[in-house]
Amino acid sequence: GAVVSQHPSRVICKSGTSVKIECRSLDFQATTMFWYRQFPKQSLMLMATSNEGSKATYEQGVEKDKFLINHASLTLSTLTVTSAHPEDSSFYICSARDELSGNTIYFGEGSWLTVV
Amino acid sequence: AQTVTQSQPEMSVQEAETVTLSCTYDTSESNYYLFWYKQPPSRQMILVIRQEAYKQQNATENRFSVNFQKAAKSFSLKISDSQLGDTAMYFCAFRGPRSGGGADGLTFGKGTHLIIQP
Repeated sequence: GAVVSQHPSRVICKSGTSVKIECRSLDFQATTMFWYRQFPKQSLMLMATSNEGSKATYEQGVEKDKFLINHASLTLSTLTVTSAHPEDSSFYICSARDELSGNTIYFGEGSWLTVV
Repeated sequence: AQTVTQSQPEMSVQEAETVTLSCTYDTSESNYYLFWYKQPPSRQMILVIRQEAYKQQNATENRFSVNFQKAAKSFSLKISDSQLGDTAMYFCAFRGPRSGGGADGLTFGKGTHLIIQP
C-alpha cells in the first residue's frame, strides 16, 4: 500500500535553533499534505495544510513564522520549527492525500522533537 | 467548526469479547467522512475503517464495524472477537469540506485507550 515516510523519527535540538522535518509520499503524488502535532496522551491537532506550489494554510493559533512549511514538490513537504523552545517539544505527524485512490489519507510514522 | 467527542478515555475488556467505542460529532455539513484510526505504542496512525456520510449502509472491515447514525451524529466502532493486538489508542476523526478551517484536514476526538486483557 501507499507509504508516507517522515524523517527524522527523533531529533534533539538546542533552544534557539531551527529544525526541519521531512514528509515524503513514497509511491504516490500528493498535492496536499497535512501537519499535526500530538502532545503526550493527547489527540492530534491539525497545524496546517501544505499545498504543493503554493502557501500553506495554517489553523487558527498556529504561528506561521515559527512553523514554516514548504511543499516544493509533489512528494515532499517540510516543516521547519524556527527558534525552537522547549515548549515546542512534541510529536509531529504528517499525512498525505492520495487523490488517485479516492482521496485516501496516509500517515507518516511521526517525528519526536525534543528541544533542550 | 466541527467537533468530535469521545466520552470514554479508557476501556478494558477480555480477549475474545466484543467492545464498542463511542463517538459523537457536531457539524453543519451534509457531506463528510468519518474515520476510526488506531494508534499503537509505535505511534503509527493506522486506518481502521471509514464511512461516507452519504452512504446509509454501515461500513465493515473484518472484525471491525461501525454504527453510523447520521441524524444523531453518532459513529461508534464495534470490535468483535477482540485480540491482544487490538490494544491501542483509538481515535474517531471527521473530515468535511472545510474541517477546522483548513482544506479537509482531519478533526480528531481525544481518543479512547482500549486495553485487551488476556
